Amino acid sequence: AQTVTQSQPEMSVQEAETVTLSCTYDTSESDYYLFWYKQPPSRQMILVIRQEAYKQQNATENRFSVNFQKAAKSFSLKISDSQLGDAAMYFCALNTGKLIFGQGTTLQVKP
Amino acid sequence: NAGVTQTPKFQVLKTGQSMTLQCAQDMNHEYMSWYRQDPGMGLRLIHYSVGAGITDQGEVPNGYNVSRSTTEDFPLRLLSAAPSQTSVYFCASSYASGNTIYFGEGSWLTVV
Repeated sequence: AQTVTQSQPEMSVQEAETVTLSCTYDTSESDYYLFWYKQPPSRQMILVIRQEAYKQQNATENRFSVNFQKAAKSFSLKISDSQLGDAAMYFCALNTGKLIFGQGTTLQVKP
Repeated sequence: NAGVTQTPKFQVLKTGQSMTLQCAQDMNHEYMSWYRQDPGMGLRLIHYSVGAGITDQGEVPNGYNVSRSTTEDFPLRLLSAAPSQTSVYFCASSYASGNTIYFGEGSWLTVV
């Protein structure tokens, strides 16, 4: 079975500070992909960052970076220099051909 | 290039009625999926397909049917609607499992 767990239902961060969202997953597949998606109140799904499991190097996309620990099956998202527009629900997702999402973390950014 | 198109966007059904949510993509994607999202929750996989003629169950398949007769279309059928099926439904597609996943705008379904 394939599972994705986000243990932080809600997080808050001060504007310009750094925050880390946690995600753990489980799969028996050796070839898979991991994603973080952002969902604002409009419900649109916006890709934040993508990581291939076979790559050891952590993915980075501007202010967003991941800490991918394959042995521990951990995939956390770090948001640096947080902005008000970062406030949204964030979902971790695992794709083995079957795409499964975590329960989500609601991020609040305080001015 | 329309991307992933879902119809209808809003629908109200009575308990016991059946209906089909349509999903179409024009990007020649092999992978297509249906999800439901309940308030404050994540997306739960209902059914998915890795190509025309191939479908499989996801996490919450009960009460739903799918078929994939063409690469472009992946309709989701509610057989006998129940209030527990009130949710927002998303269709998604991608070329392969590691490629960018495109989502439809969602279909808001209320069962009364």
